[in-house]
Amino acid sequence: DGGITQSPKYLFRKEGQNVTLSCEQNLNHDAMYWYRQDPGQGLRLIYYSQIVNDFQKGDIAEGYSVSREKKESFPLTVTSAQKNPTAFYLCASSPTGYSGNTIYFGEGSWLTVV
Amino acid sequence: AQSVTQLGSHVSVSEGALVLLRCNYSSSVPPYLFWYVQYPNQGLQLLLKYTSAATLVKGINGFEAEFKKSETSFHLTKPSAHMSDAAEYFCAVSDLGSASKIIFGSGTRLSIRP
Repeated sequence: DGGITQSPKYLFRKEGQNVTLSCEQNLNHDAMYWYRQDPGQGLRLIYYSQIVNDFQKGDIAEGYSVSREKKESFPLTVTSAQKNPTAFYLCASSPTGYSGNTIYFGEGSWLTVV
Repeated sequence: AQSVTQLGSHVSVSEGALVLLRCNYSSSVPPYLFWYVQYPNQGLQLLLKYTSAATLVKGINGFEAEFKKSETSFHLTKPSAHMSDAAEYFCAVSDLGSASKIIFGSGTRLSIRP
């Protein structure tokens, strides 16, 4: 089935550690996104990519990094510079980067700092 | 700047009753409007989308929404609530341009009373 796969579902990070969240899509979509969701809040855009080998910062990019070496993959690294990383992370994709395109979401990954 | 407001962070209705979730947006041009549903620990799923083809938009699971430009509203309704409708609902708006500019509301949690 076509869709967006995020892994792992649950991840624990120690202070000072970098962790990477995986996101793979087989929808043949050009655009991919990473959002952060905190309880009681909407989604905030971390990074997005409209095409392979290109990505742009979103509203809360500090402490995060991404790569887009392949069309189907858009991993997110949460670095030690991110002071409050505990959150639910959602990867998404859309056919193109133009407005009006439906954005499709993965199942999400929980990251907890221990 | 574009914004979207969802009135009521929590709505509770009885099973079989009308569901009304409110969404107001700010936009100087007719936007693209979306309603998404999120079940616990899952990603967001598209319920319906307004793209100016028709002001009354029908979605999945019996939901519909009406675009009212004069009121800058896009409220979500369902005639008869079912227990399975209990979830978090997000309204989102996107202007012309990049899909990365989509703005999500803070969400409304819908509870269904037996």
